[in-house]
Amino acid sequence: DTEVTQTPKHLVMGMTNKKSLKCEQHMGHRAMYWYKQKAKKPPELMFVYSYEKLSINESVPSRFSPECPNSSLLNLHLHALQPEDSALYLCASRQGRTDTQYFGPGTRLTVL
Amino acid sequence: DAKTTQPNSMESNEEEPVHLPCNHSTISGTDYIHWYRQLPSQGPEYVIHGLTSNVNNRMASLAIAEDRKSSTLILHRATLRDAAVYYCILWRGADGLTFGKGTHLIIQP
Repeated sequence: DTEVTQTPKHLVMGMTNKKSLKCEQHMGHRAMYWYKQKAKKPPELMFVYSYEKLSINESVPSRFSPECPNSSLLNLHLHALQPEDSALYLCASRQGRTDTQYFGPGTRLTVL
Repeated sequence: DAKTTQPNSMESNEEEPVHLPCNHSTISGTDYIHWYRQLPSQGPEYVIHGLTSNVNNRMASLAIAEDRKSSTLILHRATLRDAAVYYCILWRGADGLTFGKGTHLIIQP
């Protein structure tokens, strides 16, 4: 099983809402990532978790709050987002002994 | 991070080979050359990677120049399902991937 799953597939939220994105993998990968992809642009790295600890935060605003409750699960908590945060949010995981990252299908977020 | 340069777009015919170039003149000795592709409405997908020697897998081949300043991804027989944005990325591991603009590959039937 080489699958990374993300829920929900689509999310529409207002600027005052609080919502969460979920990512799950059962490949035993110990590194997990969040990327953001605006329309017609390449993905941009947001956060890296290694062994369930945040190792990289690419200067992401605090309205995005990542969480890694266990080695299989990665959440992204959203609060007080802006319309410009509308994008495709991609999760990925990496096997420790190879350099391959496996991506999920993404959550398409629209902030009204 | 070392940068890569790729053509914005390329067009090829179905069932013909496709050669996608990538320049990376500032590559360091510890940089692996990775290729990912992103089909419409999907997350990126790993294609192939290499360090110094040419590599083959079931999806593609990777030809790396002797000085490592350029590489070419080869799709031996393109199908319509290969239409995607192809990203050439230099990576040392551990950190996340830094995506460039990539090459938009168009396959004509």
